[in-house]
Amino acid sequence: GNSVTQMEGPVTLSEEAFLTINCTYTATGYPSLFWYVQYPGEGLQLLLKATKADDKGSNKGFEATYRKETTSFHLEKGSVQVSDSAVYFCALSDQGTGNQFYFGTGTSLTVIP
Amino acid sequence: GAVVSQHPSWVICKSGTSVKIECRSLDFQATTMFWYRQFPKQSLMLMATSNEGSKATYEQGVEKDKFLINHASLTLSTLTVTSAHPEDSSFYICSAARLNWEPLHFGNGTRLTVT
Repeated sequence: GNSVTQMEGPVTLSEEAFLTINCTYTATGYPSLFWYVQYPGEGLQLLLKATKADDKGSNKGFEATYRKETTSFHLEKGSVQVSDSAVYFCALSDQGTGNQFYFGTGTSLTVIP
Repeated sequence: GAVVSQHPSWVICKSGTSVKIECRSLDFQATTMFWYRQFPKQSLMLMATSNEGSKATYEQGVEKDKFLINHASLTLSTLTVTSAHPEDSSFYICSAARLNWEPLHFGNGTRLTVT
């Protein structure tokens, strides 16, 4: 079946530190992969996506590369800011299952000045 | 970009009353909308898939008589929590996609507190 395994948090970093949040997946078909971000008290916002192997999604300094060989989609940012403090969710969508989305458990990131 | 509006953003109700939450796609038509529930510091739990003009598809363990979903049009889905109890207190989030292969767009969620 389809599932997403995400690095457990919480993660606390100093401003300008390098961020990696690991995400691996299992899928029966050819999924699309996503990272969503949730700020306190809000819904989820799409951060970036990749729809096929070797695609790199990027947005607001965040990047993630769709690695089929390692079934991974790790989120990275070279220099985090306090405003990046949020919960990050890795997700996959498989058209073979009616576009149902599968979410990881979320990783809470706190960036301290 | 695609915008999903959810209302209200928070609601407090007394035990035994019913609460309706609206989810609207503002600039696109959504054949399918999804309702999630999120407990504190946890991931999203899919409750049901709402299809315009037909009955919602509920996930296993979700009481369809308690969580009534109506997808009245291509831009509006409603979730009604009937006879609410304190254990129904949670954060409810709706989402929709314009097309099946596009990312989901989420509403800002509704914080329900049942006293």
